[in-house]
Amino acid sequence: AQSVTQLGSHVSVSEGALVLLRCNYSSSVPPYLFWYVQYPNQGLQLLLKYTTGATLVKGINGFEAEFKKSETSFHLTKPSAHMSDAAEYFCAVSEGNNNDMRFGAGTRLTVKP
Amino acid sequence: NAGVTQTPKFQVLKTGQSMTLQCAQDMNHEYMSWYRQDPGMGLRLIHYSVGAGITDQGEVPNGYNVSRSTTEDFPLRLLSAAPSQTSVYFCASSYLRHSTLNGYTFGSGTRLTVV
Repeated sequence: AQSVTQLGSHVSVSEGALVLLRCNYSSSVPPYLFWYVQYPNQGLQLLLKYTTGATLVKGINGFEAEFKKSETSFHLTKPSAHMSDAAEYFCAVSEGNNNDMRFGAGTRLTVKP
Repeated sequence: NAGVTQTPKFQVLKTGQSMTLQCAQDMNHEYMSWYRQDPGMGLRLIHYSVGAGITDQGEVPNGYNVSRSTTEDFPLRLLSAAPSQTSVYFCASSYLRHSTLNGYTFGSGTRLTVV
C-alpha cells in the first residue's frame, strides 16, 4: 500500500523566512499527492495537489510544492512565512484505487515574530 | 452551508460503553470515510464507503463498525469503548470520480475520551 513519511514533526521559522516542509512517498503506481493544513480545533483543508502534468504546483496562501519522481518527494515551500501560517501540515498520497488516501504523521509549523 | 457535519463535537465515555459518531454530507458525494487522528501518527483510515450499501475496512478497523444506508450518512459505531480509542475522529467525503483531483472535504472532528 502507499505510504507517506514527513521528515520533522516540528518546524520553527521566523516571520519572513523560508518555509520548507518535507514529504517523501511510496507508491506502486504514479501517485496523486496532496498537502492539507489543519488549524487548531478544525478539520483539514486542502492546500494543494499534484495529479498529472506540471510538477510544480501552486496552492493557496502562497504555498507551492514540487513533485520529484526520482526522489519520491513532494516538499512544501513558501518563500516568506507569515504568523497566520502557524498550523499543522499533512502530506497525503493516493493511488486512485478505491480513493484510499494515506496521510503522513504531520508537521507542526511554528512562526516566531 | 454545504459540507460535512459531525456530531457530537466532544464526548466522554466509560470503558465498555457503546456510542455512534454521526457524519452527514449534503454534497451528494459517493465516497465517505472515517479517520482517527493521534499525536505523532497523523490520520489513519478506519473504514470507508464508495456508495450506499458498500463499506470496506481501512488500516485500523478493529473495534469499529460502519454502515451506509443512504448517500448522505455514514455513522461510526464503537461497540465497546476502550481507552485506546481516545482520539479525534474525522469524517471525510468526496465525489468518486473527482477525489484524486480535488481531495477530500473534512468535517470539523469529534474529540472522544474514553475513561
